[in-house]
Amino acid sequence: AQSVTQLGSHVSVSEGALVLLRCNYSSSVPPYLFWYVQYPNQGLQLLLKYTSAATLVKGINGFEAEFKKSETSFHLTKPSAHMSDAAEYFCAVSDFYGGATNKLIFGTGTLLAVQP
Amino acid sequence: SQTIHQWPATLVQPVGSPLSLECTVEGTSNPNLYWYRQAAGRGLQLLFYSVGIGQISSEVPQNLSASRPQDRQFILSSKKLLLSDSGFYLCAWKNRVEQYFGPGTRLTVT
Repeated sequence: AQSVTQLGSHVSVSEGALVLLRCNYSSSVPPYLFWYVQYPNQGLQLLLKYTSAATLVKGINGFEAEFKKSETSFHLTKPSAHMSDAAEYFCAVSDFYGGATNKLIFGTGTLLAVQP
Repeated sequence: SQTIHQWPATLVQPVGSPLSLECTVEGTSNPNLYWYRQAAGRGLQLLFYSVGIGQISSEVPQNLSASRPQDRQFILSSKKLLLSDSGFYLCAWKNRVEQYFGPGTRLTVT
C-alpha cells in the first residue's frame, strides 16, 4: 500500500528565508508524486507533479521539488519565502499503474507560517 | 479550459437532516470524479470516485452515498446527517495523472 509522511505539521520561516517542507513516500510501484497548496477555506491548488521524467520538478510560485528514489523523498523548497506563501501544503502519491482510478493518497499537511 | 464548481459553498444542517452536495465540471468529457472530506486538523480522506455515469466506488463505509447522473455531475448525499459528518467537502476531477479540485463546501452539522 502507498503512503505519504509529511514531517512537521507546522513550519515557520521568516520572509526571505528558505522554505523546506519535507515529504517521504512509500510505494511498491513507481510513484507519481504531487504537492498541493491550500489557502483558508479554499480548494487545493496543484503546485507541481513528478511523473518519472526529470527528478527536479519546477512548479508555480517559485516552488520546486526533487524526487530522490534512494531516500524515498520528495521535499518541497522555495529559495525565498513571501508572505503570500503562508498556507497549508499537502504532499500526495498516486500509483503509476493505477489506470483509470489513479487515486491520490495525501499526507496530513504542513501549515507554513511566514513571519515578517 | 476546464472549470469545476461546487455548491453550496457553506451549509449548516441539523443532525438527522438529509444532505445533497453537487459538483459539476465544465470543459471536459467523461472525467474521473472524486469526493474527499477534510475534517478539522486532519488530511484529506477519499470518500467516493467515479469513472463514468452510474459507476460509483466507495472508499469508506459510512452514511454517505454518491451518484453520477450525468457525465459531468457528481452528487454527494446522505439521508440522515451525523455530527461526525461535519467537515470540508472537496470534489475533484482527474486530468491525465493529476487531480484538480473545486472550491469546496463547508458543512457544519449542529
